[in-house]
Amino acid sequence: KAGVTQTPRYLIKTRGQQVTLSCSPISGHRSVSWYQQTPGQGLQFLFEYFSETQRNKGNFPGRFSGRQFSNSRSEMNVSTLELGDSALYLCASSFLTGDTDTQYFGPGTRLTVL
Amino acid sequence: GENVEQHPSTLSVQEGDSAVIKCTYSDSASNYFPWYKQELGKGPQLIIDIRSNVGEKKDQRIAVTLNKTAKHFSLHITETQPEDSAVYFCAAINTGNQFYFGTGTSLTVIP
Repeated sequence: KAGVTQTPRYLIKTRGQQVTLSCSPISGHRSVSWYQQTPGQGLQFLFEYFSETQRNKGNFPGRFSGRQFSNSRSEMNVSTLELGDSALYLCASSFLTGDTDTQYFGPGTRLTVL
Repeated sequence: GENVEQHPSTLSVQEGDSAVIKCTYSDSASNYFPWYKQELGKGPQLIIDIRSNVGEKKDQRIAVTLNKTAKHFSLHITETQPEDSAVYFCAAINTGNQFYFGTGTSLTVIP
């Protein structure tokens, strides 16, 4: 089975711009979660989508949004980029057969905001 | 919400020695505890996990122990090899499937 794929792998933007990141989960997985990883803050949960609905949301401003499509692929969008948004954005998918399930991570998208 | 603490933040061991990383959690509703290994330039990879109805789990050189009463769990790597060098993250998950990660341990295995 192919793993979680994320595109693009690297992205450079300037302050004020917006960006859209894409995640394709493992085939058959219906839950997709997004995380922001920075050296100072570690792995921080952004949001989780299951069957096109946002199930959980982390403590991030409204500039961060996401969505999930009927084929379980997900996108996250960051508007009005700030320097502090520079980070590795990770997507993880899980099958979610019960209340909890193993998450499998993609390689991440490295976003640099200049 | 859940709070996961992980120690130590850095760990250096000689090749062949054992490495132990410890995590504590605060939410007694957490019932699933995976460990991830992250190598440079890659996403975290699941290496072992344990559920709250089990006290210990082993997979070759890697083992995880869970003490529900004390709310702590540990990763044990025996006979360490240079390729074990990476950042390791613990996580605690509650019934809402929300993942809370520790801050990571950078493990260096010295040949």
